[in-house]
Amino acid sequence: AQSVSQHNHHVILSEAASLELGCNYSYGGTVNLFWYVQYPGQHLQLLLKYFSGDPLVKGIKGFEAEFIKSKFSFNLRKPSVQWSDTAEYFCAVNEAGGGADGLTFGKGTHLIIQP
Amino acid sequence: EAGVTQSPTHLIKTRGQQVTLRCSPISGHTSVYWYQQALGLGLQFLLWYDEGEERNRGNFPPRFSGRQFPNYSSELNVNALELEDSALYLCASSRAGEQYFGPGTRLTVT
Repeated sequence: AQSVSQHNHHVILSEAASLELGCNYSYGGTVNLFWYVQYPGQHLQLLLKYFSGDPLVKGIKGFEAEFIKSKFSFNLRKPSVQWSDTAEYFCAVNEAGGGADGLTFGKGTHLIIQP
Repeated sequence: EAGVTQSPTHLIKTRGQQVTLRCSPISGHTSVYWYQQALGLGLQFLLWYDEGEERNRGNFPPRFSGRQFPNYSSELNVNALELEDSALYLCASSRAGEQYFGPGTRLTVT
């Protein structure tokens, strides 16, 4: 069975600080990887995804993530955060090649950006 | 394009009752997924439907069931409600492996 671990449950940063949110997964096979974001009062939105190819993927709003297969990691980064990035961030994984199966989510990281 | 829609927005049920939640996918999407977001447990995969068939289910008891209609909309049924079923139930539809989520139905069991 797959599992996803997000290391930080709560992160507080000042505007313009750099961001890195950790995500590790446990699965022996090939996976698809995702980061979702949930802004206050809104529903889950896809930030970025990795299926194959270049392990550095870019998403919306200046976010990027790097897949490091040897470390089973898919960390989310942003060089300079804004107050509007305050949200809950979820890392997710599903099995690649088996059709688009259900996602296994991490517990989420609550990010607060202070102006 | 219109997003995934779910109904109702919220509802309150009594322990032991049955409930039906509904989901309409994005036009052109044939796969529908159901997730439960319970306090303290995070987002958990419930069911996956594609082309009218159940393709996979998560670690939930059989009293959680559903179906997908020819127009690809879906229903989630929960029988014999328990207090711990109180949660936000999210529906997602998929295209090219990307899942798009609806706003959810908040279920409270008293």
